[in-house]
Amino acid sequence: IAGITQAPTSQILAAGRRMTLRCTQDMRHNAMYWYRQDLGLGLRLIHYSNTAGTTGKGEVPDGYSVSRANTDDFPLTLASAVPSQTSVYFCASSDSRDTQYFGPGTRLTVL
Amino acid sequence: GENVEQHPSTLSVQEGDSAVIKCTYSDSASNYFPWYKQELGKRPQLIIDIRSNVGEKKDQRIAVTLNKTAKHFSLHITETQPEDSAVYFCAASASGGSYIPTFGRGTSLIVHP
Repeated sequence: IAGITQAPTSQILAAGRRMTLRCTQDMRHNAMYWYRQDLGLGLRLIHYSNTAGTTGKGEVPDGYSVSRANTDDFPLTLASAVPSQTSVYFCASSDSRDTQYFGPGTRLTVL
Repeated sequence: GENVEQHPSTLSVQEGDSAVIKCTYSDSASNYFPWYKQELGKRPQLIIDIRSNVGEKKDQRIAVTLNKTAKHFSLHITETQPEDSAVYFCAASASGGSYIPTFGRGTSLIVHP
């Protein structure tokens, strides 16, 4: 693994289904984030984690949950997907210099 | 919390012209201002950043200026090229500790050959 990866690349999901988006980094960054990107709305923060074992809510947390069991992994779970959660999801991590490193993104469609 | 406004939402220029994108922020505690470039279908990537102890920073054809009194900062691209076409995002945050950036809504820059 080099940098930050996300899986799956894309997914079509029926409404009401549970879905976990995976994010893994090998840069030993303490802070990790989940954003959703919708046209015209930029990058909106869903949840973040400053260090393993801690998480916090961002601007649009409703319908999403996260966990941070270790430094490398930061999964995002949609407990019961709804069509308004159709979006591109980016995971990111940041170093002590505050620069954000983004994953390649997951394109999620909820029907 | 922090609020970041970014303008314009779309910017169309001819190759070789200059492009300027402006952002304003609300929280006087913010002291870190990065700019990210996102090409179509790709992830955002940092292109330049500035911290509150400097007023201007330059890297080849791109530069960023910061006016802390007025709470605004700008991205300047000179001699634009078609490969500069992308969406550009500004962000603001208080550096260190609980670093939670607030992003602008993005500017779609189109450079016509």
